[in-house]
Amino acid sequence: AQSVAQPEDQVNVAEGNPLTVKCTYSVSGNPYLFWYVQYPNRGLQFLLKYITGDNLVKGSYGFEAEFNKSQTSFHLKKPSALVSDSALYFCAVRGSNTGNQFYFGTGTSLTVIP
Amino acid sequence: NAGVTQTPKFQVLKTGQSMTLQCAQDMNHNSMYWYRQDPGMGLRLIYYSASEGTTDKGEVPNGYNVSRLNKREFSLRLESAAPSQTSVYFCASIPRWIAEAFFGQGTRLTVV
Repeated sequence: AQSVAQPEDQVNVAEGNPLTVKCTYSVSGNPYLFWYVQYPNRGLQFLLKYITGDNLVKGSYGFEAEFNKSQTSFHLKKPSALVSDSALYFCAVRGSNTGNQFYFGTGTSLTVIP
Repeated sequence: NAGVTQTPKFQVLKTGQSMTLQCAQDMNHNSMYWYRQDPGMGLRLIYYSASEGTTDKGEVPNGYNVSRLNKREFSLRLESAAPSQTSVYFCASIPRWIAEAFFGQGTRLTVV
């Protein structure tokens, strides 16, 4: 079965500190991995994706993520958090054998403390 | 470029009433999706349409129907609304198979 796990419902980090939002996945075939951010009362916005190639992917707003095949993980990172990064973050996966469906995690609420 | 547009943004229904949520995209995308978002459960796929003229069930299709009217529009219908369908509904589209999804702003539906 295909699934995405975001083990932390809530992550708090001080402004200026590095942040990590964790994601692990299980999918049939090669994984295609995505991170989205959702601000209050808004739709999801794309941050970055891993399709193939370099395991370190850079995306919007200074975010990056590292694909680790052996650990089936795709953690989202940022070297220095901003208060404006406070939002809900979703990891998503689709597999080369899973047709057209995306599978989303349950989301991690990030709060950056001034 | 408006992207993905959902209407209405808010709706309150009484149990048993019907309604249709509208979604339109102006990006010439092939695939379109309907998700519901509930606290602690993330996004769950209701139905999707891989291309014009095709629709498929997702994880939670019961109580819903869809219509892919043309390449631009993908509507979601609740025939007899139930309180369990209180949720935020998102429409999304993707241009090609391994591309990222583009989401609408959502419809907040309350069934009383």
